Amino acid sequence: GAVVSQHPSRVICKSGTSVKIECRSLDFQATTMFWYRQFPKKSLMLMATSNEGSKATYEQGVEKDKFLINHASLTLSTLTVTSAHPEDSSFYICSARGSFGGYTFGSGTRLTVV
Amino acid sequence: GNSVTQMEGPVTLSEEAFLTINCTYTATGYPSLFWYVQYPGEGLQLLLKATKADDKGSNKGFEATYRKETTSFHLEKGSVQVSDSAVYFCALSEGTNAGKSTFGDGTTLTVKP
Repeated sequence: GAVVSQHPSRVICKSGTSVKIECRSLDFQATTMFWYRQFPKKSLMLMATSNEGSKATYEQGVEKDKFLINHASLTLSTLTVTSAHPEDSSFYICSARGSFGGYTFGSGTRLTVV
Repeated sequence: GNSVTQMEGPVTLSEEAFLTINCTYTATGYPSLFWYVQYPGEGLQLLLKATKADDKGSNKGFEATYRKETTSFHLEKGSVQVSDSAVYFCALSEGTNAGKSTFGDGTTLTVKP
């Protein structure tokens, strides 16, 4: 149990376009999901906390207008990178709290902006 | 605030060697502690966890004991395999609904045949 599905796993987009990443909890309800960004050879940086039915809570330094987060249901949260630029290229990972008390992570999305 | 400090890598071992990856933490309350593993090109997977002092988490031959007195959660394995090559992250989270996890910087382990 406690499976989180994230897709796409890889995406390449042109500079200036927007990309949507989906994160679904398949067998449990997640009132809260988390979005992380991982830079090469670095740890995960929490970007925002996604709350079902309300606005996301962004960490300091994260542009909320650039990284749009929507949590429309108890099983789906989306991250949209708007007007993407090459510096947005990164590995994005979502997670949700599972019944075991820890966090189940999605498999991640490798975004490359060209 | 909370923080997690892991031993710096990379760590390179021969197959069947003993592994220790140190992890210490600072937290304001009584956190749960986790080790996650990330294989190349993949997301994080929970490896093991401990939710209170003196608990031992174990999985796939890996073990870690929650030491409150030394604020540590060192990861150990008696005999590593090539397939254990990955990045290992120590993490903590506080409270049942706090949600946020604080991660260490990760330690890259390479096991050579």
